[in-house]
Amino acid sequence: QKEVEQDPGPLSVPEGAIVSLNCTYSNSAFQYFMWYRQYSRKGPELLMYTYSSGNKEDGRFTAQVDKSSKYISLFIRDSQPSDSATYLCAMINTNAGKSTFGDGTTLTVKP
Amino acid sequence: DARVTQTPRHKVTEMGQEVTMRCQPILGHNTVFWYRQTMMQGLELLAYFRNRAPLDDSGMPKDRFSAEMPDATLATLKIQPSEPRDSAVYFCASGPGGGRNVRNQPQHFGDGTRLSIL
Repeated sequence: QKEVEQDPGPLSVPEGAIVSLNCTYSNSAFQYFMWYRQYSRKGPELLMYTYSSGNKEDGRFTAQVDKSSKYISLFIRDSQPSDSATYLCAMINTNAGKSTFGDGTTLTVKP
Repeated sequence: DARVTQTPRHKVTEMGQEVTMRCQPILGHNTVFWYRQTMMQGLELLAYFRNRAPLDDSGMPKDRFSAEMPDATLATLKIQPSEPRDSAVYFCASGPGGGRNVRNQPQHFGDGTRLSIL
């Protein structure tokens, strides 16, 4: 079983929809959480970085962390076609000082 | 806008040839990571450096892969001899140094080297 589980999708939504992306994890050493966006033929781009349980908002993006359930989410409000990409969750193992990535969810926002 | 720079962007070569991929981390970053990305395996960590010293290369096939940091502005990943199963996109990422929680800083990625071994 993988330490980080992420539904690969694909996920297709109409423009303007609210998108919910999720990851679960099993290792309690994961204490820092990130979401990356990866466009085709590009490297992952850091979107959100958070430590605490709760919500962190940045524009149309909200990252949610529930450490008790070992569950993290990324919400995208008013989704745009430019949001079409693969979204990867990542978690830092504070003991080892390195990140483990989910396999990514491919999102398509249709005009 | 500081970026991680990787060269070459694409490489096609025949099985058995040596392949060298280069990475220039963001200036001031002292942690460097090499990843391999494939459809089947996703992002796999190959090696990890801090202050140019290798800290973890357990994800790397030791018999054919080697990673080095000749200086603070250059990281290299070599494959010799290359095999078709090495075909993938190889990413370099760097993270900021300094501070008490240097281990917990997020990484910033380059755009990768797309490698095809025929």
